[in-house]
Order: sequence, then C-alpha cells, then structure tokens
Amino acid sequence: KAGVTQTPRYLIKTRGQQVTLSCSPISGHRSVSWYQQTPGQGLQFLFEYFSETQRNKGNFPGRFSGRQFSNSRSEMNVSTLELGDSALYLCASSLGRGKGQASYEQYFGPGTRLTVT
Amino acid sequence: EDQVTQSPEALRLQEGESSSLNCSYTVSGLRGLFWYRQDPGKGPEFLFTLYSAGEEKEKERLKATLTKKESFLHITAPKPEDSATYLCAVQAGSLGYGNKLVFGAGTILRVKS
Repeated sequence: KAGVTQTPRYLIKTRGQQVTLSCSPISGHRSVSWYQQTPGQGLQFLFEYFSETQRNKGNFPGRFSGRQFSNSRSEMNVSTLELGDSALYLCASSLGRGKGQASYEQYFGPGTRLTVT
Repeated sequence: EDQVTQSPEALRLQEGESSSLNCSYTVSGLRGLFWYRQDPGKGPEFLFTLYSAGEEKEKERLKATLTKKESFLHITAPKPEDSATYLCAVQAGSLGYGNKLVFGAGTILRVKS
C-alpha cells in the first residue's frame, strides 16, 4: 500500500507571498491532519479534515487554511508568508472513523520543507 | 490543556547498552498514546499506540509501556541504526472527536558502535 505523499518536497518563497501545499493520504483513509514542525516549537497541530469538513483546528492565525477534496486529498494554504513560517509541514492520514481505536492511528508523509526569505 | 513532556532531551548510548526513554503526560480523557521515530529531514514513522494503563507492545529491540501518568520506551541492546529522534504524542477526547495529536519535544538518541 502506498504511503502518504506530499508535494512539493521543498519550497522557497519570499515574505508576503502565499503558498499551497498538497497531501495525498493512504488509500482508504478519509482523515487528513496537518502539522507544523520547527526547531523551537516542535510538532504543532494545524487542523484536521474529514469528509471535506474541518473537524479540528489548532491555535494558528487565519493565514493558515486548508481544504479537502472528495477523493480525500488535501491542500494547505498559507497567505502573506512571514519569516517565522519557515518550517517542515507534515501531513498525516488515518481512517478517521469507526469504533476501533486503531482507526485513529496517524501515518505521516515525508513533509514539505518551506523556507521563507 | 493537554501536555506531554519527554526526557531526557538527548541520550548517547554505546551499542548494546540498554536504556529507557520517558514520556509523561497530562491529558483529560486519554484515547491513545503514540510513539514515533523520526530521522533527520523525514516525516515521523509510526511505532506503537498504547490505549490503556498496563498495556505493553514490542517491536524488535523496542518495547513501549503505559501507566496512568507516563509511558516508557525501552531500548534493548541498541544498534547504531536505532539512532533517531523518538517522539511521544497523546490523543484525547471521545471517539469521533477527531485526530489532534499533542506531541512532546522528543528525545534525540545517538548509538555509537
């Protein structure tokens, strides 16, 4: 079974620009979660999408947004980039529903390394 | 607020020298405690999920245990290829609440031959 894929793997943007990152979950997984990883703050939850609806949201400004498509693929958008947005952005997928607790086990993609200059 | 604290921050071991990593947590309604391994520049790799106190899981040289306040990741006779950052995360709330994971800062493990 193919794992979680993320594109692009590396991105360099200028302050003030916007960026869109893409995530394709494991086949059959309907939940996609996004995380930001920085050396100072570690891994922090951004938001989760399930069946095209945002189900959970972390404490990030409104510049960070996302969406999910009917095939469960997800995109994340960051507008008006700031230097502090430089980070590894990780996507994780899971089944996302069901009575089994294993349905919520999350599997991560390789990440997109975003550098803002 | 859910909190996860991992110790030590860094650990250096000689090959074959067994040790343990600690993950203490404060959470309301623990649904699961997760261990991940992360290599530099890569995404976290899923290792274990523990759901209730007293539960133990093993995989090769790794064994994870869970109590009501903390989890341990025991590494038996480690090899250099076990060098990585080990991350602990908790998932709280009722089923259907969603998938938010709260991570600890991680333990950087270096195993020398």
